[in-house]
Amino acid sequence: DQQVKQNSPSLSVQEGRISILNCDYTNSMFDYFLWYKKYPAEGPTFLISISSIKDKNEDGRFTVFLNKSAKHLSLHIVPSQPGDSAVYFCAASVGGSQGNLIFGKGTKLSVKP
Amino acid sequence: ETGVTQTPRHLVMGMTNKKSLKCEQHLGHNAMYWYKQSAKKPLELMFVYSLEERVENNSVPSRFSPECPNSSHLFLHLHTLQPEDSALYLCASSQDFFRGYEQYFGPGTRLTVT
Repeated sequence: DQQVKQNSPSLSVQEGRISILNCDYTNSMFDYFLWYKKYPAEGPTFLISISSIKDKNEDGRFTVFLNKSAKHLSLHIVPSQPGDSAVYFCAASVGGSQGNLIFGKGTKLSVKP
Repeated sequence: ETGVTQTPRHLVMGMTNKKSLKCEQHLGHNAMYWYKQSAKKPLELMFVYSLEERVENNSVPSRFSPECPNSSHLFLHLHTLQPEDSALYLCASSQDFFRGYEQYFGPGTRLTVT
């Protein structure tokens, strides 16, 4: 059974608008969450992370929100740009160690000019 | 070369062949990882090495054999694979396994087993 779920395989957004990518998890022991971005023919690249002691972390156009009671996190991209088109993976770990990451299946974001 | 490199980028092999995947990191990291990404499945962690010692082995079949000769190099030796082993194999590294550091991924090797 999947511990990290990204229920939307794809998302299409207009350039300049907000992109919201969602992720749900089942393991209440997870205490560190990350988002990775992957372009075709490249490996995933780290985007942003959040510890369970926070409910929000912001880095430029990217903000991650964590709702521990709902076991839900989301990635907001504002404003969306065509270069943001990629597959986004949510990942989680236990004990603050990034060594053992559990990944979701990914959401493919398409930002249309 | 910078970051994490993987060779070959594409590999086609028969079920009776023996081949090896190579990963090299130029980041001075102490931990290296092998992941498998199958179609429509999440990334699955296969092996972890920390300071050249294996620290994690997630029930991977013995037809996959990792080797870490030093902290910069990681190999995945393949023998008598099955068609269902066809996948993207990703290597990653991080500063340290036991503390919180992001992982840096290579571009992957696309493996097809015929």
